[in-house]
Amino acid sequence: EDKVVQSPLSLVVHEGDTVTLNCSYEVTNFRSLLWYKQEKKAPTFLFMLTSSGIEKKSGRLSSILDKKELFSILNITATQTGDSAVYLCAVEAGSGNTGKLIFGQGTTLQVKP
Amino acid sequence: NAGVTQTPKFRILKIGQSMTLQCTQDMNHNYMYWYRQDPGMGLKLIYYSVGAGITDKGEVPNGYNVSRSTTEDFPLRLELAAPSQTSVYFCASKMRQSQETQYFGPGTRLLVL
Repeated sequence: EDKVVQSPLSLVVHEGDTVTLNCSYEVTNFRSLLWYKQEKKAPTFLFMLTSSGIEKKSGRLSSILDKKELFSILNITATQTGDSAVYLCAVEAGSGNTGKLIFGQGTTLQVKP
Repeated sequence: NAGVTQTPKFRILKIGQSMTLQCTQDMNHNYMYWYRQDPGMGLKLIYYSVGAGITDKGEVPNGYNVSRSTTEDFPLRLELAAPSQTSVYFCASKMRQSQETQYFGPGTRLLVL
């Protein structure tokens, strides 16, 4: 059975800290890995990763994929209170181009002032 | 573009009642999806569609039905509501091409009592 596991499940940090969120997966026919941010509403897209070792970066957020070890990390540097959210990792896998995603349970990040 | 819209935003149902959650997208996306998200959990795929007239089951289809008569609309039907269907429901859509992200609607919060 395809599975995506995120860790930690929750995290509390102070503004300015750097955090690393983890996502591991066991799927058949991996296609891509995606990170989303969810702030009490619909998930919003952060990154899509398809190749190992190539870092994707957007401002203070960055992510990288390791297809050999089957995991990805999401880094947030110099955290701000606005980074408080649930971060979801999802994997597209399987035969055929259906775009179906398997989600992890999410990591809840709280950034304190 | 309005993107992905969902109605209603919130609904309370009694056990055994039925209802339809509406989802419409104006981006001419071929692929559409229905997810549910239980408290503290990631999203689970209920049903998906790769085009008008084509639907298929996801991870948790029991108790739900869908139809896709047009490219724009993808309604989700609950026939006999049960407390276990209390959840937040998200509709999403994406282009057919690989390596395109899904765009999510704002969600419908459903409470079954």
